[in-house]
Amino acid sequence: DAGVIQSPRHEVTEMGQEVTLRCKPISGHNSLFWYRQTMMRGLELLIYFNNNVPIDDSGMPEDRFSAKMPNASFSTLKIQPSEPRDSAVYFCASGERGSNEKLFFGSGTQLSVL
Amino acid sequence: AQSVTQLDSQVPVFEEAPVELRCNYSSSVSVYLFWYVQYPNQGLQLLLKYLSGSTLVKGINGFEAEFNKSQTSFHLRKPSVHISDTAEYFCAVSDYGDKLIFGTGTRLQVFP
Repeated sequence: DAGVIQSPRHEVTEMGQEVTLRCKPISGHNSLFWYRQTMMRGLELLIYFNNNVPIDDSGMPEDRFSAKMPNASFSTLKIQPSEPRDSAVYFCASGERGSNEKLFFGSGTQLSVL
Repeated sequence: AQSVTQLDSQVPVFEEAPVELRCNYSSSVSVYLFWYVQYPNQGLQLLLKYLSGSTLVKGINGFEAEFNKSQTSFHLRKPSVHISDTAEYFCAVSDYGDKLIFGTGTRLQVFP
């Protein structure tokens, strides 16, 4: 298996633009997590899904952020409109039975909002 | 709600020396505890985890951690570090509800 695949690897955009981050979890995993990593705040859990259903989105910063998981093999995290303070590395992770087992992380998307 | 505290943001150490990375957690329920490692420009990888049973947990790359319920700690140790151990280390906690919360990380820098 190729592991968790995230795209794009890097994204540079201007303030106000829409940004869409993509994630393909490992086949057979039923849990998917989106994290944001910054120097100031470390790793923050934004949202997680179980069997394609959002379970907890309390970490989503505000209404500008939205996440979907239309099927077991694909998830998106969208920011509209983007702001400079959204600049961070966004990680997607998947697991077989939630976070109590091993989570597999993608390589992340480095987002820069100018 | 759970939380994790990693008091040391950076730990410098010479090669072949022992190291301990500290982690304390708070939770009102029983928890599962984890250590993950992040190498530069990569995602996180699981080092070890404590779910139940023996309080001393052995992981990959010679690392081990001890769960101490009375002190609510889960410190990570290695008796002899290598240059390749230079990375960011994250302690994490979850309850039975699948939500994994990370600490702010400890940067381990190993010098020759």
